[in-house]
Amino acid sequence: EAQVTQNPRYLITVTGKKLTVTCSQNMNHEYMSWYRQDPGLGLRQIYYSMNVEVTDKGDVPEGYKVSRKEKRNFPLILESPSPNQTSLYFCASSLKGAEAFFGQGTRLTVV
Amino acid sequence: RKEVEQDPGPFNVPEGATVAFNCTYSNSASQSFFWYRQDCRKEPKLLMSVYSSGNEDGRFTAQLNRASQYISLLIRDSKLSDSATYLCVVNPPWGGGYNKLIFGAGTRLAVHP
Repeated sequence: EAQVTQNPRYLITVTGKKLTVTCSQNMNHEYMSWYRQDPGLGLRQIYYSMNVEVTDKGDVPEGYKVSRKEKRNFPLILESPSPNQTSLYFCASSLKGAEAFFGQGTRLTVV
Repeated sequence: RKEVEQDPGPFNVPEGATVAFNCTYSNSASQSFFWYRQDCRKEPKLLMSVYSSGNEDGRFTAQLNRASQYISLLIRDSKLSDSATYLCVVNPPWGGGYNKLIFGAGTRLAVHP
């Protein structure tokens, strides 16, 4: 089954404790991206990657890092999480110009 | 001004009603347009692309007005299962053909018996 898988689905952590949210897709898509969704603001792009070892900042990259060592995986790293990073996070993948497929989301709370 | 703006709703309609959502976008050179559907706390899923000539998929009709920079979605004969948030999505000119997608904040639809 074609899918984008994120883990964990839910996470509560404390300020400053490094965490990684994993994202994996099995559709051989070139393009992957991370979004955060906050009430009233819609989805905002954090980082994106057009292929292996090619990543770039989206609209709200501060406080986040990513890597793309393999085509299928695109982890999101929060080196020192802060409460303003409490949000719902989505990973997405697509072929160029085609439909974006989203993971099921990760609900992160930073206390 | 936001790049993509939508009325947040909620739109509360009875089953069988026809409901229309509008969305405006700020960059006149935007290349492609979509409507996504998002159920509560779930991931967005593509509902339909929006083509310049307008397009229909069953009970759903999407229209694009480039001159006025707005996109519309019409839902006919609403079903309870149509209750969701509808996201207007634009691929800006700097997207390079990739899915550099700009999302509106969404319009919430609630269909009641």
